[in-house]
Amino acid sequence: NAGVMQNPRHLVRRRGQEARLRCSPMKGHSHVYWYRQLPEEGLKFMVYLQKENIIDESGMPKERFSAEFPKEGPSILRIQQVVRGDSAAYFCASSPQPTGTYEQYFGPGTRLTVT
Amino acid sequence: KNQVEQSPQSLIILEGKNCTLQCNYTVSPFSNLRWYKQDTGRGPVSLTIMTFSENTKSNGRYTATLDADTKQSSLHITASQLSDSASYICVVSANSGGGADGLTFGKGTHLIIQP
Repeated sequence: NAGVMQNPRHLVRRRGQEARLRCSPMKGHSHVYWYRQLPEEGLKFMVYLQKENIIDESGMPKERFSAEFPKEGPSILRIQQVVRGDSAAYFCASSPQPTGTYEQYFGPGTRLTVT
Repeated sequence: KNQVEQSPQSLIILEGKNCTLQCNYTVSPFSNLRWYKQDTGRGPVSLTIMTFSENTKSNGRYTATLDADTKQSSLHITASQLSDSASYICVVSANSGGGADGLTFGKGTHLIIQP
């Protein structure tokens, strides 16, 4: 049973371009969480999705950021018109049920660099 | 406001020595507390999860304690190894049900084991 997969592992974009980050949860997991980690900072929650639904996007910036988790395929975090401040590591985690006392399993992250 | 504070921010110890990392939280209502290990360039990996009724839990050379009255937790590492060099993140879950089931992340303690 493969773990949480994220790709690409490293992504370089110029200011103004779009960044697409993909996350494939563990088999059997229908709950996906996206986090952002700035250098020397802790993980910050962005969005929580269940298949085809956004459950909580309270941590998402209001503009340029969007997320989806379609019925088929990976979850996608999309950042439009990237700026230098978007440079960070983006982690995805999955769980079989809403977190509660259930474990969250993290992917290896995508490191976005905006030049 | 829910907060998780970790100390020290960084720690350097010699291989073979023991160390203790601290976590203080002001999360309410409390559901559970987790410790994660994050190697450089990797996603966090769970070490322990403790609920309100548990005051100690071990995972190999890692032992976590929880004092729900004082809202403090510690992670004790015994007989440290070079592979223990990583960031250790304390995460507290609230029962609020909001924001990815109310997870609040600490900034982590950066531990370096020297040979």
